[in-house]
Amino acid sequence: TQLLEQSPQFLSIQEGENLTVYCNSSSVFSSLQWYRQEPGEGPVLLVTVVTGGEVKKLKRLTFQFGDARKDSSLHITAAQPGDTGLYLCAGDVDNNDMRFGAGTRLTVKP
Amino acid sequence: EAQVTQNPRYLITVTGKKLTVTCSQNMNHEYMSWYRQDPGLGLRQIYYSMNVEVTDKGDVPEGYKVSRKEKRNFPLILESPSPNQTSLYFCASTSGLGRGYEQYFGPGTRLTVT
Repeated sequence: TQLLEQSPQFLSIQEGENLTVYCNSSSVFSSLQWYRQEPGEGPVLLVTVVTGGEVKKLKRLTFQFGDARKDSSLHITAAQPGDTGLYLCAGDVDNNDMRFGAGTRLTVKP
Repeated sequence: EAQVTQNPRYLITVTGKKLTVTCSQNMNHEYMSWYRQDPGLGLRQIYYSMNVEVTDKGDVPEGYKVSRKEKRNFPLILESPSPNQTSLYFCASTSGLGRGYEQYFGPGTRLTVT
């Protein structure tokens, strides 16, 4: 079983719709990161959250870290085709033990 | 431009034929890692290095070797590849460990072992 469970595994929506993807665990993380990976490329960092309850916004993307630092969510408003990709969460269990979820594969259709 | 490079990008080989995937970073990062990515399993760490001549096993080290003779290079060696090592491999580097440090990933190497 994965330390970090991401849901849904796949998501296909129309341009302009809103969506939320989730990253859940029974473990507590000192920090949690979200990456986006496009086909043929490596993951690229979107955001790092470190404080329980923290909310960060990156244009149309809103990231939230759970109060207990065990889970996180990513909400995208008015999704665009350019948002298509694999979204990975990664939790820092302790220094140098960064664990990745399996990802949510998002497709935004024009 | 800050980057992590990997070569080759694609490789098809046969069982038992030794191969090396190179990785190089130009950011003077101390920490480097190798991951493999498989459907439904996400990124799993194979080996990591905290500095020159310092390497350690990650979650799935069996069948792999690494070396860190120079700060910028961290090659991944498969002495006797097997079909279960068919995967997408990523090299990554970072300037620190733990809270908030960003990992910079290479573009990936898609390996097929027949």
